[in-house]
Amino acid sequence: DGGITQSPKYLFRKEGQNVTLSCEQNLNHDAMYWYRQDPGQGLRLIYYSQIVNDFQKGDIAEGYSVSREKKESFPLTVTSAQKNPTAFYLCASKQKSSYEQYFGPGTRLTVT
Amino acid sequence: DQQVKQNSPSLSVQEGRISILNCDYTNSMFDYFLWYKKYPAEGPTFLISISSIKDKNEDGRFTVFLNKSAKHLSLHIVPSQPGDSAVYFCAAVDNFNKFYFGSGTKLNVKP
Repeated sequence: DGGITQSPKYLFRKEGQNVTLSCEQNLNHDAMYWYRQDPGQGLRLIYYSQIVNDFQKGDIAEGYSVSREKKESFPLTVTSAQKNPTAFYLCASKQKSSYEQYFGPGTRLTVT
Repeated sequence: DQQVKQNSPSLSVQEGRISILNCDYTNSMFDYFLWYKKYPAEGPTFLISISSIKDKNEDGRFTVFLNKSAKHLSLHIVPSQPGDSAVYFCAAVDNFNKFYFGSGTKLNVKP
């Protein structure tokens, strides 16, 4: 069963702690993306990666970091430098030759 | 500055009638446009897309229209069904494969 998995679905952290969100895909897609969605807003791009060991900042990269050591995996770390980390985080992937992104189910992060 | 805008946060339509969702963009260099459907607490799912070289693409009850001179995109759903109730996002892609999403329109189809 091919798809994108994000775990966990809900995550709670104390302020000042770093937290890593998992994103794994078995679709053999080249590109992977991280988005953030806040209530009443659209999806804002945090980071994206078009090939292994390479990634680019999106529009709101400050306070986040990523790695792309394997094609299947693109973990996102929300650092303590991110001022408003509470949000719904979505991971997506796509083939290099296609425009269609496939999304994971999302992780809702709550920082108190 | 948002490059893709959906100015209607919500839309309510009677079952069986047409739903028209609108999207405007500012960057004339966008290559491709897509519509996604999203239910609460889930990831968006792809609905329909259109290349910048076309002005219409149809898939069953869903048709996307592109007006490049007006930098305007619309999604028509005919006939609308209660199961279509969801948030719809339009997205545009630039030539660096970077995606830009609108803020979404919540469609409510009343039975």
